Amino acid sequence: GQNIDQPTEMTATEGAIVQINCTYQTSGFNGLFWYQQHAGEAPTFLSYNVLDGLEEKGRFSSFLSRSKGYSYLLLKELQMKDSASYLCAVLDSNYQLIWGAGTKLIIKP
Amino acid sequence: IAGITQAPTSQILAAGRRMTLRCTQDMRHNAMYWYRQDLGLGLRLIHYSNTAGTTGKGEVPDGYSVSRANTDDFPLTLASAVPSQTSVYFCASSDSSSGSTDTQYFGPGTRLTVL
Repeated sequence: GQNIDQPTEMTATEGAIVQINCTYQTSGFNGLFWYQQHAGEAPTFLSYNVLDGLEEKGRFSSFLSRSKGYSYLLLKELQMKDSASYLCAVLDSNYQLIWGAGTKLIIKP
Repeated sequence: IAGITQAPTSQILAAGRRMTLRCTQDMRHNAMYWYRQDLGLGLRLIHYSNTAGTTGKGEVPDGYSVSRANTDDFPLTLASAVPSQTSVYFCASSDSSSGSTDTQYFGPGTRLTVL
């Protein structure tokens, strides 16, 4: 079967750095996505990785290792507004998105 | 319209009633999707459409139907609602043409309660 694993919940301090991990086992791979979802709102696109390595976009970076079936989302200089759920999703060989259950990130002052 | 809109925003429905959730996008995306999101389960695909005139079943299609008469609209119908269909429903669209990344963009969601 296909599976995406990410921690259920993480806590971090304002101004700090946090890394949210995602491991996947899917039938094929055509890219990995990270989305941010604030409570009561729709998911919004953060990043896309299809090749190994690090993609940096402001305070957020996303890393991919296809051989290890592993990705992480790195958030720097955390702000209170970063409190949200972060969803990892993989595009499989049929170009269907397989979603993780999401990681709820709690930021404390 | 900018992006994807969904209607209604929320709805309380009696079991056994028929309900259609509306979704419209103005990005000329060829692909559209319907998801439900339940606490602790993440997003689950109900139905999808790769292009106007075609539809396909996702992970949890039972009790739902869709149509795609044109590029912009992708309504989701519950023929006879049951309490287990209480959920938040998200519509999404993507450009899945060759060379694109298939990034999905989401509507604001419909919160449905079936009593």
